[in-house]
Amino acid sequence: GDSVTQTEGLVTLTKGLPVMLNCTYQTTYSPFLFWYVQHLNEAPKLLLKSSTDNKRTEHQGFYATLHKSSSSFHLQKSSVQLSDSALYFCALSDPTNTGKLTFGDGTVLTVKP
Amino acid sequence: GPKVLQIPSHQIIDMGQMVTLNCDPVSNHLYFYWYKQILGQQMEFLVNFYNGKVMEKSKLFKDQFSVERPDGSYFTLKIQPTALEDSAVYFCASSTDRASDYTFGSGTRLLVI
Repeated sequence: GDSVTQTEGLVTLTKGLPVMLNCTYQTTYSPFLFWYVQHLNEAPKLLLKSSTDNKRTEHQGFYATLHKSSSSFHLQKSSVQLSDSALYFCALSDPTNTGKLTFGDGTVLTVKP
Repeated sequence: GPKVLQIPSHQIIDMGQMVTLNCDPVSNHLYFYWYKQILGQQMEFLVNFYNGKVMEKSKLFKDQFSVERPDGSYFTLKIQPTALEDSAVYFCASSTDRASDYTFGSGTRLLVI
């Protein structure tokens, strides 16, 4: 079956530093890849999505590029802010199937002053 | 933007009792989903629903679980009877089609004691 791997469970950074959260996946089809952000006690919200190989997608200062050759969709930001502290999920879906999302385990990002 | 409302936000119930979790999806959305999240961990797919029918369900969707959306009202997840391991946050989501972005609700925190 499908799987999504996020290698970092917890990332702690000082404000202003760059960050990269890793995401790799396994699937037999050509998927959509997503990054969701979840602040404490809130709903997950879509941050980025892509299905196009080697094209960078950006939103709210975050960016990611889907690389099908390496099955990766790493999330990056050049300068983290205190408000970026949250739980980040990478997920994939098969656009030809039922729309089910398969999530990674999530990465907790904590930004310190 | 449009929101998915989940009622109640918290529920404490005795093991063995029945519980119904209610979801008011975005009005023009046609696909509905339930996900389970334990203690801020991975979001896990339970079931999706379209045109009055279950499209796909995971192994977490036990026989004690059922979903329905009678006459376009709430999309509900019923657990009967509940078990201790059902304690989790249950997220409802909806989308316009199976390849579209989800809108998630804020979740119902269910505690089975």
